[in-house]
This record gives sequence, C-alpha cells and structure tokens, in this order.
Amino acid sequence: EVQLLESGGGLVQPGGSLRLSCAASGFTFTSYAIHWVRQAPGKGLEWVAAISGSGGVTYYADSVKGRFTISRDNSKKTLYLQMNSLRAEDTAVYYCAKEFQVLEEPHLDCWGQGTLVTVSS
Amino acid sequence: DIQMTQSPSSLSASVGDRVSITCRASQSISSYLNWYQQKPGKAPKLLIYAASSLQSGIPSRFSGSGSGTDFTLTISSLQPEDFATYYCQQSYSTRYTFGQGTKLEIK
Repeated sequence: EVQLLESGGGLVQPGGSLRLSCAASGFTFTSYAIHWVRQAPGKGLEWVAAISGSGGVTYYADSVKGRFTISRDNSKKTLYLQMNSLRAEDTAVYYCAKEFQVLEEPHLDCWGQGTLVTVSS
Repeated sequence: DIQMTQSPSSLSASVGDRVSITCRASQSISSYLNWYQQKPGKAPKLLIYAASSLQSGIPSRFSGSGSGTDFTLTISSLQPEDFATYYCQQSYSTRYTFGQGTKLEIK
C-alpha cells in the first residue's frame, strides 16, 4: 500500500524555522516526483514546491521561493521541506503528495494526512 | 503563473441531482487538468486526471470533460458521500496551480 506520512509541524514564532518530513512507503521512491501542497485554515489548496525523483530538479511557488527548500533522501525514502523566515501567512496544513504520470500527463495520486504549521508569537 | 478559476464557489443540491462544476484556465493547458475531492479534516483525493480519465476506484458517476481553457466536472447522480469541496488543478506548468474550490452542500 502506498503511504506518505508527514511530521515536523508545530508552533513557531515569526522569523523562525521548521523542517517538515514526509516518509514514503509502498512504492519505488526514486521513480517519482513529490510535491508539497498547503492549505491555510478555512482556505483552498496552494501548491508550494516539487522535487524530481533524483532530487536534481526543484520548483517553488513565488510565495516561498528563497525561504523554503525542498529536498529528499532517497536512501531513507524521505522528503523534506526546510522552512525559514516564516511568516504568519505560512500558517497551514502542509501535505506531501506523490506525482504520477500517465502518457506524460502528471497528477497527484497519493497524499499524506498533513501536518499543521502555526506561525504565531 | 497559470490562474485557475472555478464556478460556482458553492452549490446546493439534493441526493440524486446531476451537478456540474466548471474550471477555466487563464491560458490553454491542453488536457493537463485534474480534479480532487476534499472532505473536512481530510487530505484531497484524486478523482479525474488528464481532464477526463477516471482514477482507479472512483465511482463512474464522476466524469470530466474539456480541453484548452474550459473544463467541467460532472456528478451524474449525487450520493450523500459526495458532499465535499472540489478543486481543479493544472499540471501543464511545472508550477502547479489550483482553483479556489467549489463547496457542494446538501439542499
């Protein structure tokens, strides 16, 4: 069974840092790109970042570029999101999601349960 | 970035109704359009990918159509478990974007 399990969320002060993890199981981890998607309380989904299966290619939303870093340790089957210079507007549930492609059309076919990040003094 | 606009933002319907949700992209995205369902406190679930392909395990009452800039998610006969929020998402650009969501409520 394909599973993604996020951890590392919590309360952090504005300007602080936090590292989220996403542990994967049930699939060949290196074969798939993985994304982070967040959802502020009561709001819609916002794509945050993505990383290729090898880890060599990364993409970021403008709202987090320069502050967040996505990375992966394929030997541990784990994805990370290092979040620095956190702001109140970064408060959200953060999901990791696995990308799957059919005939080169990508979609997010498996999601973790999410981890809550609260940025507040 | 490609902007995705859903309509309506909310919708009231009854069990057994046929409902449609539309999604418009700010530029042509071919068929790189996916639909997700989200229930309160839960992660999103993939329903439709590549505009019209039904994800494995999803009931056939869900269908998707469209290409270019205009897309539609249709539920042919609403069931009680279908009351949720629905999001479209483009994967034409590597920087994905989602629609703002459509909340489907019981009338």
